[in-house]
Amino acid sequence: DIQMTQSPSTLSASVGDRVTITCRASQSISTWLAWYQQKPGKAPKVLIYQASSLENGVPSRFSGSGSGTEFTLTINSLQPDDFATYYCQRYNTYSGTFGQGTKLEIK
Amino acid sequence: EVQLVQSGAEVKKPGESLKISCKGSGYSFTSYWIGWVRQMPGKGLEWMGIIYPGDSDTRYSPSFQGQVTISADKSISTAYLQWSSLKASDTAIYYCARHDSSGFPDYWGQGTLVTVSS
Repeated sequence: DIQMTQSPSTLSASVGDRVTITCRASQSISTWLAWYQQKPGKAPKVLIYQASSLENGVPSRFSGSGSGTEFTLTINSLQPDDFATYYCQRYNTYSGTFGQGTKLEIK
Repeated sequence: EVQLVQSGAEVKKPGESLKISCKGSGYSFTSYWIGWVRQMPGKGLEWMGIIYPGDSDTRYSPSFQGQVTISADKSISTAYLQWSSLKASDTAIYYCARHDSSGFPDYWGQGTLVTVSS
């Protein structure tokens, strides 16, 4: 089974910073990767799909890149609303393994 | 508008059975896979399994095979997740999600909190 490893598990940053979260797959997944934002008590919100496609309505300060086994989520100019937990997910028709999550905290 | 509406919070005792639901609307329910995701208290997201309501083809994560049953009733556009004998470790929020043709979970339900406690 393909494993997804996110890093870091916790990230401290300030409003206005640029941050990057990394997700690594244990074997190639092409670009079948999504990124989500989750806030306490809420369902995950889709940010990025197919590694780099921005979901409708998601601010352009969010971007995704990568293919194969290494992927990144970048947030430019952090806003107060961005402090949350972020997950990557490898998906295909029959499975959907998540990374363990990255908690983005205010410094 | 695509919507997935899940059933309400449940409080159960260990050993009891439970079936929670996820009703789809705003799209052809039989043409998209529906998956289930678990989130234990304070923990991350875990993919449990998926069903194609059109023909009830069902796949499970190895971690959840035999622990839960996923089903669907296409006549009422509803998918289900059920347990025959709950354990305290089943306490979690459970999310359903619609999957597009590539497997991407594009729409999510609001989640159902299941609490199992004696």
